[in-house]
Amino acid sequence: DIVMTQSPSSLAVSAGETVTINCKSSQSLLYSGNQKNYLAWYQQKPGQSPKLLIYWASTRQSGVPDRFIGSGSGTDFTLTISSVQAEDLAIYYCQQYYDTPYTFGAGTKLELK
Amino acid sequence: QVRLKESGPRLVQPSQTLSVTCTVSGFSVTSYHVSWVRQPPGKGLEWVGAIWKGGSTDYNSALKSRLSISRDTSKNQVFLKMNSLQTDDTGTYYCAKHFKQLSGVMDAWGQGASVTVSS
Repeated sequence: DIVMTQSPSSLAVSAGETVTINCKSSQSLLYSGNQKNYLAWYQQKPGQSPKLLIYWASTRQSGVPDRFIGSGSGTDFTLTISSVQAEDLAIYYCQQYYDTPYTFGAGTKLELK
Repeated sequence: QVRLKESGPRLVQPSQTLSVTCTVSGFSVTSYHVSWVRQPPGKGLEWVGAIWKGGSTDYNSALKSRLSISRDTSKNQVFLKMNSLQTDDTGTYYCAKHFKQLSGVMDAWGQGASVTVSS
């Protein structure tokens, strides 16, 4: 199974700050056939279901604000949230869909400082 | 509008079988893959398995021996059955629809069914 390692596990931020969440996979998620990275990011607010933010490592889902930016390739990926807003306080998960079983990172909890 | 709704028992006794139903609307289970994902209280997400739009299934190898996913296309429902439940199977069980073009990306989720395994 592909192991997804996220860091940090939690992050305390003030509104307006820029934050970076890291995700590392135990094997490359870059498929040579299409040069795409099989990596998605989800946001889960308290008491809610996960919500898809980004797929193909950097493509925002429809309706997701452009302050959410995904980057990276191969085994190292980053989710950057610029100018964090109070509504962004949540747990963020990366997920690989290169192969089954699909696997998630342990999550990064974004908290208010 | 795409909607998924899980339903099932809130309490299951150890060693018994869990049955959860996912009723979907706004799309057909014959056109989109559907996965089950679970989340223990206060912990992260674990992919349980999927039923592909063609009807075949794929399971998390860690759970495969206890797991069955099936569907009723006439009712647009997907079913999860897991036997020999233990306390660490306690958690919220979500069903999720996949993006049509992307087999592993889940773009719509149900509200989740909270299940406690306890005697």
